[in-house]
Amino acid sequence: AQSVSQHNHHVILSEAASLELGCNYSYGGTVNLFWYVQYPGQHLQLLLKYFSEDPLVKGIKGFEAEFIKSKFSFNLRKPSVQWSDTAEYFCAVKSYNTDKLIFGTGTRLQVFP
Amino acid sequence: GAGVSQSPSNKVTEKGKDVELRCDPISGHTALYWYRQSLGQGLEFLIYFQGNSAPDKSGLPSDRFSAERTGGSVSTLTIQRTQQEDSAVYLCASRSTGANNEQFFGPGTRLTVL
Repeated sequence: AQSVSQHNHHVILSEAASLELGCNYSYGGTVNLFWYVQYPGQHLQLLLKYFSEDPLVKGIKGFEAEFIKSKFSFNLRKPSVQWSDTAEYFCAVKSYNTDKLIFGTGTRLQVFP
Repeated sequence: GAGVSQSPSNKVTEKGKDVELRCDPISGHTALYWYRQSLGQGLEFLIYFQGNSAPDKSGLPSDRFSAERTGGSVSTLTIQRTQQEDSAVYLCASRSTGANNEQFFGPGTRLTVL
């Protein structure tokens, strides 16, 4: 069965620090990959998605992620975080033969001014 | 409305009672999904509806869980004989036709089983 691993459960950073959140998935076939973000008290919303184009994907708010097929990874990065990036971040995978998303357990990011 | 809506936003029930959770997807979206978000567990897929096709029920944890989607729009998730381990936030999402389209999530229903 497909699975998604997010090894960083809780990350604490100061503003302007660089961010990298890990995401690894288990499925060996063609996949679509997503990062969703949930700000405190708000809905889940899409941060960025990978659909077989350039493996380096740019998202909203300065986030990017790189798909590395050989490593089954889709790590999320931001060069300089802001206090407003405090949220929970979820990585998700969808294989081509299904339409459901398989989510990781999430990473809670806290950014201090 | 502009987004996915869910009701109620909070539901407290006693163990053994039945509950119904409602989801109104974005108008025109053909696909509808239910997920469960438990503390420390991430989001767990429950069930998926796509147009008139048979739903994918592969994520339902037990036969106490069922869902229907009437008229290709509103969906109801029903949990019978609730147990304390059913306590979670139940999220609904919808998606328009198109392979590259994203799922849009609702605010969720927080279910607490006492």
